[in-house]
Amino acid sequence: GESVGLHLPTLSVQEGDNSIINCAYSNSASDYFIWYKQESGKGPQFIIDIRSNMDKRQGQRVTVLLNKTVKHLSLQIAATQPGDSAVYFCADAVQGAQKLVFGQGTRLTINP
Amino acid sequence: DTGVSQNPRHKITKRGQNVTFRCDPISEHNRLYWYRQTLGQGPEFLTYFQNEAQLEKSRLLSDRFSAERPKGSFSTLEIQRTEQGDSAMYLCASSLHETSGLNEQFFGPGTRLTVL
Repeated sequence: GESVGLHLPTLSVQEGDNSIINCAYSNSASDYFIWYKQESGKGPQFIIDIRSNMDKRQGQRVTVLLNKTVKHLSLQIAATQPGDSAVYFCADAVQGAQKLVFGQGTRLTINP
Repeated sequence: DTGVSQNPRHKITKRGQNVTFRCDPISEHNRLYWYRQTLGQGPEFLTYFQNEAQLEKSRLLSDRFSAERPKGSFSTLEIQRTEQGDSAMYLCASSLHETSGLNEQFFGPGTRLTVL
């Protein structure tokens, strides 16, 4: 079936360093990908999305890379800050299906 | 606040009772989604509406679950005869559907349900 997964459940980095969170997806028909950040007790917060006609998209301090050949997605966060500590989820969708399929999440901890 | 709102934020109920949650989407959004999230897991899709029409339901949505969006604005999710396995965070999201395809789904803060 369709699934979106993450390689690492936890990641710790030093404040100011860059972090990379990885994600593997299995549905070759997926054409929309999105990263969410979720802090404790809150709903997921949009970070960045990318469509399958692109392989890279940049936002403020974040970059998403998409490799459709190996069905891999990554989120790069530059110059991490304490406020970046959260659980990060990737999700994918097929344009006609609308629903997002989420992975398990990676907990990012920023060490001072 | 113009984001997605959900009420109540927390609900504790006894097994067998019925519960109802409400979601108010971003006002101009025509699509509304319900997801369920258990501890340590990502959200799982339950159902979604375009305006007042319920267009898709997950197999996770048993016959004890019903969702409505009567006027194409707010939505309610009712769980009848609650079971301990229903304990989870129920998330609502909304989006503006355009012909160009999928767009960002904005999530609300969720309703945490605890069934004793």
